[in-house]
Amino acid sequence: DSGVTQTPKHLITATGQRVTLRCSPRSGDLSVYWYQQSLDQGLQFLIQYYNGEERAKGNILERFSAQQFPDLHSELNLSSLELGDSALYFCASSGTGARETQYFGPGTRLLVL
Amino acid sequence: AQSVTQPDIHITVSEGASLELRCNYSYGATPYLFWYVQSPGQGLQLLLKYFSGDTLVQGIKGFEAEFKRSQSSFNLRKPSVHWSDAAEYFCAVGNDYKLSFGAGTTVTVRA
Repeated sequence: DSGVTQTPKHLITATGQRVTLRCSPRSGDLSVYWYQQSLDQGLQFLIQYYNGEERAKGNILERFSAQQFPDLHSELNLSSLELGDSALYFCASSGTGARETQYFGPGTRLLVL
Repeated sequence: AQSVTQPDIHITVSEGASLELRCNYSYGATPYLFWYVQSPGQGLQLLLKYFSGDTLVQGIKGFEAEFKRSQSSFNLRKPSVHWSDAAEYFCAVGNDYKLSFGAGTTVTVRA
């Protein structure tokens, strides 16, 4: 158990809908990262937050957004969902120093029908 | 830009045999490198990491990896594989804000 929790574990929805994925980092970690794992793209970095502020963006679509709240939990919002958004979405967290190890949650499996 | 190549998509190994998974990276500065393992339906578990210092790194579950700067490689090894090692293995290179993963190597263990 990495100490990172993600809810829900599974999500099934329809095209055009909007969903919210939630992540709670390890105790004491200020950084949260979101990754998408799909069969065709592999594991891709989406976005990082540090202590409530966006720090870095990767291959994140404009239909997707994220935020980190004062209690340090984070949410990833996916809107106008398409079939191709079906994937496993991971959250990871790390400490405050440079080059910290990222610890991953169990992921949320999203299926868009 | 940083990137990782895992040349082997799938490896089959007999239980008790040795295992080596290859990883080559591209990174402009001194890299920091990771191996993660993903069992079916599970998240990513950290096996080991290299930041600096000794180029032979020991990890959990009996795994080790060797950093070779001249070859831009960070290969993962295990002397004797157990059936529970069947999983997908990912090599990653990191900077201060993200990890870049290879495509993964699926390991099948036969009895």
